[in-house]
Amino acid sequence: DIQMTQSPSSLSASVGDRVTITCRASQSISSYLNWYQQKPGKAPKLLIYAASSLQSGVPSRFSGSGSGTDFTLTISSLQPEDFATYYCQQSYSTVRFTFGPGTKVDIK
Amino acid sequence: QVQLQQWGAGLLKPSETLSLTCAVYGGSFSGYYWSWIRQPPGKGLEWIGEINHSGSTNYNPSLKSRVTISVDTSKNQFSLKLSSVTAADTAVYYCAKITSIAVAGKNYYYMDVWGKGTTVTVSS
Repeated sequence: DIQMTQSPSSLSASVGDRVTITCRASQSISSYLNWYQQKPGKAPKLLIYAASSLQSGVPSRFSGSGSGTDFTLTISSLQPEDFATYYCQQSYSTVRFTFGPGTKVDIK
Repeated sequence: QVQLQQWGAGLLKPSETLSLTCAVYGGSFSGYYWSWIRQPPGKGLEWIGEINHSGSTNYNPSLKSRVTISVDTSKNQFSLKLSSVTAADTAVYYCAKITSIAVAGKNYYYMDVWGKGTTVTVSS
C-alpha cells in the first residue's frame, strides 16, 4: 500500500505569512495528488487536484506543486479563513484513495 | 450544482450493522463514482470505498470483509453497510462525489462534492 506522510504536523502562522506544507508518498504517484482543507465540524473541501490544478472557486493564493513522491501546498498570503487542517490524498493506487495524516495551521 | 444529503442511525451497539444512505441532488448520477469516507474523533480521513451507477465497487482492503456499498439509480442514492461494528468504527462518515478528469492521456480522480457528515457512535 502507498503511505502518505505530511510535514509539519502543525504550524503556527500569522495573517499575511507564506505557508508551505509538504506531502510525501512512499512510492512514486506521478501527479495523482490532491489537497483538501477541513475546518472544525465541516466536511473537507477540495483545493488542488492533479498536484497543481486549482479547483474552481478556490482563491489563487493556494497553489500546488510536485510530482513523483514529493509535493507541496503553498498559501502565498495566509488569510484568517485559511486557519484549518490540510490533507493530501493520493489517487494512484488500486486502493483508490489514501490520505495523509493532516497539517493543522493555526494562529500564531 | 450537485448536492449530497446523507442520513442514517447515529448510535449503534457493538456487533450491529451500520447503515447510511446518501442522496444526490441537482446533477447527473451516472458517469461518476460515489464514495464513503470516515474520520474517527480527532483523527484523519480514511477512504472506505466507492461505487458507480452500474454497481461496480472498489473497497479499502482493510474494511472489505465488512463493507457493502450499493446503489439505487431510481432514487439517485447510494448506501453503506458496515457489519460487526466495534468502538473503533466510531467516526464521522462522509459521502462524496468522485470526479475524473483526463489530462494528457491520464485519468485523475478527486472528491469535489461532499456531504455534511453523519456522526456514528458505537457503544454498549
